[in-house]
Amino acid sequence: NAGVMQNPRHLVRRRGQEARLRCSPMKGHSHVYWYRQLPEEGLKFMVYLQKENIIDESGMPKERFSAEFPKEGPSILRIQQVVRGDSAAYFCASSPYQSNTEAFFGQGTRLTVV
Amino acid sequence: AQKITQTQPGMFVQEKEAVTLDCTYDTSDPSYGLFWYKQPSSGEMIFLIYQGSYDQQNATEGRYSLNFQKARKSANLVISASQLGDSAMYFCAMREGDYGQNFVFGPGTRLSVLP
Repeated sequence: NAGVMQNPRHLVRRRGQEARLRCSPMKGHSHVYWYRQLPEEGLKFMVYLQKENIIDESGMPKERFSAEFPKEGPSILRIQQVVRGDSAAYFCASSPYQSNTEAFFGQGTRLTVV
Repeated sequence: AQKITQTQPGMFVQEKEAVTLDCTYDTSDPSYGLFWYKQPSSGEMIFLIYQGSYDQQNATEGRYSLNFQKARKSANLVISASQLGDSAMYFCAMREGDYGQNFVFGPGTRLSVLP
């Protein structure tokens, strides 16, 4: 049973480009969460999705950021027109349906905006 | 108000000794879960231990145990017999409610194990 898979592990983008981060949850997990970690800080919640639904996006910046979790395929976090301040590690976590006890994180995607 | 507080930015411990990493939390929800994660220098988040608010016993996982004091709203992580590989950032996190809520993380404690 593979863990949470995130790709790419490292992503470099120039200012103004788009960044697409992918997350495949663990098998059997239907809840996906995205978190951002700035250097030397803890993780900050961005968005919580179930298949084809955004449940909570209270942590998402209002502009340039979007997330989806389609019926088929991985969850995607998209950042349009990236700026230097978007440089961070982005983590995805997944949980089974109706469980508050299990949550496993992917290895993260380290985005660097140059 | 901070939901998760970790007051120790950095800690040192001698190899083979035990160490306690502090975590206090703030919630009015009677149902919640407390988690500890380890983040080594390679960056991944490794799940260590979980404690539910209704659990009567303190959680243990190998060398990790959680000292859960509900009335004081503290959930300290105890690592016994420290190893050099335990050097990492340690994050305390909480999920409120019964299902599916997101995590709130503390700022982390950097643990350094000395040979």
